[in-house]
Amino acid sequence: GAVVSQHPSWVICKSGTSVKIECRSLDFQATTMFWYRQFPKQSLMLMATSNEGSKATYEQGVEKDKFLINHASLTLSTLTVTSAHPEDSSFYICSALAETYEQYFGPGTRLTVT
Amino acid sequence: SQQGEEDPQALSIQEGENATMNCSYKTSINNLQWYRQNSGRGLVHLILIRSNEREKHSGRLRVTLDTSKKSSSLLITASRAADTASYFCATVLDNQGGKLIFGQGTELSVKP
Repeated sequence: GAVVSQHPSWVICKSGTSVKIECRSLDFQATTMFWYRQFPKQSLMLMATSNEGSKATYEQGVEKDKFLINHASLTLSTLTVTSAHPEDSSFYICSALAETYEQYFGPGTRLTVT
Repeated sequence: SQQGEEDPQALSIQEGENATMNCSYKTSINNLQWYRQNSGRGLVHLILIRSNEREKHSGRLRVTLDTSKKSSSLLITASRAADTASYFCATVLDNQGGKLIFGQGTELSVKP
């Protein structure tokens, strides 16, 4: 089956620094990838839709200047949390949309901002 | 905003019993999907049911969809301790590029 990887799987950073998370579709091409955030004991909240070769589409309430998304190739999307603060600590999950319109999820990245 | 609401929020049963989780949504959908998530892990796709389908089976899983009531249910039969996880429904709307909107989830605990 289709595999999506995320790197890193977990990261700890200091307040004010930026963190980049990578999402890769390993055995298929994805023109569209999605980024979700999940707080403990809560559901996944869609943050943005990442489109290869064009700007990402952000959901209402998500700051595009804080969560920079780049989808430079058909197999890679990156999410950069800029000037991270403790309230940005969360579990970030990406998914990639295959040509069959099935969505495949990465294993997630746990971000802790101290 | 969340499209779906699930109930119960938490469910605790004994191994061998059946578990039923319900999901309601607000607007017309293209399809509805159920996912499973073990604590701190990624999501596992369980089953997809299209808006023109009423029931679907996959192993011990049975999903129903009632578009008139805008609701779906997931039944896990003969539960096992390994079924302990959080279960989420997610809807796909028409003309939204395939994005998923997740429900609040049901935390299932199956006691051996």
